[in-house]
Amino acid sequence: DAKTTQPTSMDCAEGRAANLPCNHSTISGNEYVYWYRQIHSQGPQYIIHGLKNNETNEMASLIITEDRKSSTLILPHATLRDTAVYYCIVSNYGQNFVFGPGTRLSVLP
Amino acid sequence: DAGVIQSPRHEVTEMGQEVTLRCKPISGHNSLFWYRQTMMRGLELLIYFNNNVPIDDSGMPEDRFSAKMPNASFSTLKIQPSEPRDSAVYFCASSRTGIGTDTQYFGPGTRLTVL
Repeated sequence: DAKTTQPTSMDCAEGRAANLPCNHSTISGNEYVYWYRQIHSQGPQYIIHGLKNNETNEMASLIITEDRKSSTLILPHATLRDTAVYYCIVSNYGQNFVFGPGTRLSVLP
Repeated sequence: DAGVIQSPRHEVTEMGQEVTLRCKPISGHNSLFWYRQTMMRGLELLIYFNNNVPIDDSGMPEDRFSAKMPNASFSTLKIQPSEPRDSAVYFCASSRTGIGTDTQYFGPGTRLTVL
């Protein structure tokens, strides 16, 4: 079973920030938080990952709470091409990925 | 970088036939993963290899499924005999070490339809 809980779906207006939450209350000290997304009919695409510090790359920012029990993926300026299913995964070795149902993000014009 | 390459992209076969799916990982990556995705069960890890050795095959559904990795640049997932319930999209992914923080990079998938 997935160790994370995410909302089933979310909407976001084009050009606005999309904030996708994830709960991982049972995360252990050596587990990382990974975010992937899957655009229809394509393979999952890596977005970002982190341990306890906030992370930012060219795609997104990852905010992890101090107790590490939850995190938020931020897409700063969502575009229509960001419409996808977003998966939050916790893993200690990067290989035991358990994908839950994810959050279906719809970016609306 | 060409990314993870999978072939064929689409496969339609009849029940009872043997099906072989192929994967070429990213050069330099030494871990390889096979996943299956269906509407009912989502994305499931079937098996993964590290340095060509199978590490965890607990996700392989049954004996009809087998996977091999004869060298660092090639892996196969075979289903024999195939059944309609095997219809799914099969993804291959690779990572640099499979341990630590290395991320997995996915191929485009093979859409299998068993009639």
